Amino acid sequence: DAGVTQSPTHLIKTRGQHVTLRCSPISGHKSVSWYQQVLGQGPQFIFQYYEKEERGRGNFPDRFSARQFPNYSSELNVNALLLGDSALYLCASSFGSGAGQPQHFGDGTRLSIL
Amino acid sequence: GQQVMQIPQYQHVQEGEDFTTYCNSSTTLSNIQWYKQRPGGHPVFLIQLVKSGEVKKQKRLTFQFGEAKKNSSLHITATQTTDVGTYFCAVSSNDYKLSFGAGTTVTVRA
Repeated sequence: DAGVTQSPTHLIKTRGQHVTLRCSPISGHKSVSWYQQVLGQGPQFIFQYYEKEERGRGNFPDRFSARQFPNYSSELNVNALLLGDSALYLCASSFGSGAGQPQHFGDGTRLSIL
Repeated sequence: GQQVMQIPQYQHVQEGEDFTTYCNSSTTLSNIQWYKQRPGGHPVFLIQLVKSGEVKKQKRLTFQFGEAKKNSSLHITATQTTDVGTYFCAVSSNDYKLSFGAGTTVTVRA
């Protein structure tokens, strides 16, 4: 079975632009979470979606938004990009919605803001 | 939100030696997870601990949950070059949010 897949793998944008990152969960997993990982730090929780509904949001500005589709894939959108948004964006899927579920991560999208 | 402190931040180990990394919380935890991230890779789930005083082993890795459920440790015996990477502990602050520690980055001297 395929693992969590994310696209694109790398992305370069300039300040003020908008970006959309995509994630396909492991087959059968209904929960998708998004994390931001800055170099040298642990992943920081952005969103969790379960059964197409937002279940939780981390301490990120409204420029960050997400959605989950009927096939459980998900998109993360970031508007008005700032230099500080440069990071590895990780998607993780799990079968259930609880944070106590083991998270299965994709390889991430490395976003660079110039 | 829930915060955990991981120590040490860096661990430089001679191949074949043992080492331990720790994860500490000021509040009682419902459970704790451990992940490993190889350089350039993504976090990979290793284990989840739920019960007070729980000890679980995976080959050369031993995971322990403190009696008060406020701390956890990961002990690796006979370190190998394959153990290189960053080890994160992660805790649930509520039903949906998983909070990661800053990690312990392990390098191995052959």
